[in-house]
Amino acid sequence: QKEVEQNSGPLSVPEGAIASLNCTYSDRVSQSFFWYRQYSGKSPELIMSIYSNGDKEDGRFTAQLNKASQYVSLLIRDSQPSDSATYLCAVNIQGGSQGNLIFGKGTKLSVKP
Amino acid sequence: SQTIHQWPATLVQPVGSPLSLECTVEGTSNPNLYWYRQAAGRGLQLLFYSVGIGQISSEVPQNLSASRPQDRQFILSSKKLLLSDSGFYLCAVNGRGGTDTQYFGPGTRLTVL
Repeated sequence: QKEVEQNSGPLSVPEGAIASLNCTYSDRVSQSFFWYRQYSGKSPELIMSIYSNGDKEDGRFTAQLNKASQYVSLLIRDSQPSDSATYLCAVNIQGGSQGNLIFGKGTKLSVKP
Repeated sequence: SQTIHQWPATLVQPVGSPLSLECTVEGTSNPNLYWYRQAAGRGLQLLFYSVGIGQISSEVPQNLSASRPQDRQFILSSKKLLLSDSGFYLCAVNGRGGTDTQYFGPGTRLTVL
């Protein structure tokens, strides 16, 4: 059974702090990794994807991938109350457009003003 | 850019009634299409995916079925709903150019009573 694990939280951080969200996956051959943000009652929206080991930055967001440790993380710098949401980690095991994504259950983030 | 439409937005149905949820996509051709369900307290579960008209793959056994009568139309159906079918149903499409990134529609919230 291929799995993606996330701490359900809630993770609470003060406004302006760095929020660190973590995800581990079970299948060593996983190819692609995604972070989605989901506000309560809304559909998931893509934050960023990462395919290679190392860091990838996009604005206040940084994704970090370590395939050897089967670990992917998302850092949110200068956290804002508007960042309060559930963050979903997803993994594409097969690679390519026909590979299906496996999602973690999500980590709920709360940013306190 | 791609736009995903889903309707209805919300639905309340009695146990044993039929179901039809529709997803249509604009701004792309020959996309891969996906149906997911997000039940309370559970992660996103892939139900069906389609790589072309009339081509449906089922990921989990259940009383649901899917059809793709047109290139950019994906329908989720049931002949008799169960209480356990309640959830948030999401249609997704892969990114343009055949990338494995998936983008979600606004979703349909189904409550079975």
